[in-house]
Amino acid sequence: DQQVKQNSPSLSVQEGRISILNCDYTNSMFDYFLWYKKYPAEGPTFLISISSIKDKNEDGRFTVFLNKSAKHLSLHIVPSQPGDSAVYFCAASPSGGSNYKLTFGKGTLLTVNP
Amino acid sequence: DGGITQSPKYLFRKEGQNVTLSCEQNLNHDAMYWYRQDPGQGLRLIYYSQIVNDFQKGDIAEGYSVSREKKESFPLTVTSAQKNPTAFYLCASSPLIGELFFGEGSRLTVL
Repeated sequence: DQQVKQNSPSLSVQEGRISILNCDYTNSMFDYFLWYKKYPAEGPTFLISISSIKDKNEDGRFTVFLNKSAKHLSLHIVPSQPGDSAVYFCAASPSGGSNYKLTFGKGTLLTVNP
Repeated sequence: DGGITQSPKYLFRKEGQNVTLSCEQNLNHDAMYWYRQDPGQGLRLIYYSQIVNDFQKGDIAEGYSVSREKKESFPLTVTSAQKNPTAFYLCASSPLIGELFFGEGSRLTVL
């Protein structure tokens, strides 16, 4: 039973345009959400997070939107750059945000074309 | 530089052999974790430890063992009981509350 779903295995965008990566979840107990970015042969690195008390969080070119009623979150990258090409994992955690309770999605491979 | 070091990066094992993956961190983090990643899959938690000399099973602990004798170190042993051990293994650490910091991973291949 996949509680965190990233339904698009891959996404390709042009440099300078917007990248939108989507994530759906089924567990209504999840209240803390994170995005991690992973380059090939490297470990994931933390990108941005959002708590369920917010519906938007921005950090530079990266914005995460949370729609609790739809159990959906999205990561927007504007403008996209070739260096953003990586696998992006969505992760969710129930109350308390404990890392050992994190559930990860399968990831979306983003390719930004020059 | 502060970070997490995993070794070896690549490892080959014959069926029936145990193998130990090393993970060391100098971030002074209390918690450490081991994840497994298979192609097209998300990260799945094998074991975690929030304090020295204590560790807990994650979602897929069968066939694995760990120890946490020092704060900096959290080695993972893949035993012969693990039925499908070929995978990419990631070690991570974190403060008790805070984001995960990952190592570069170890790729284990069973021949």
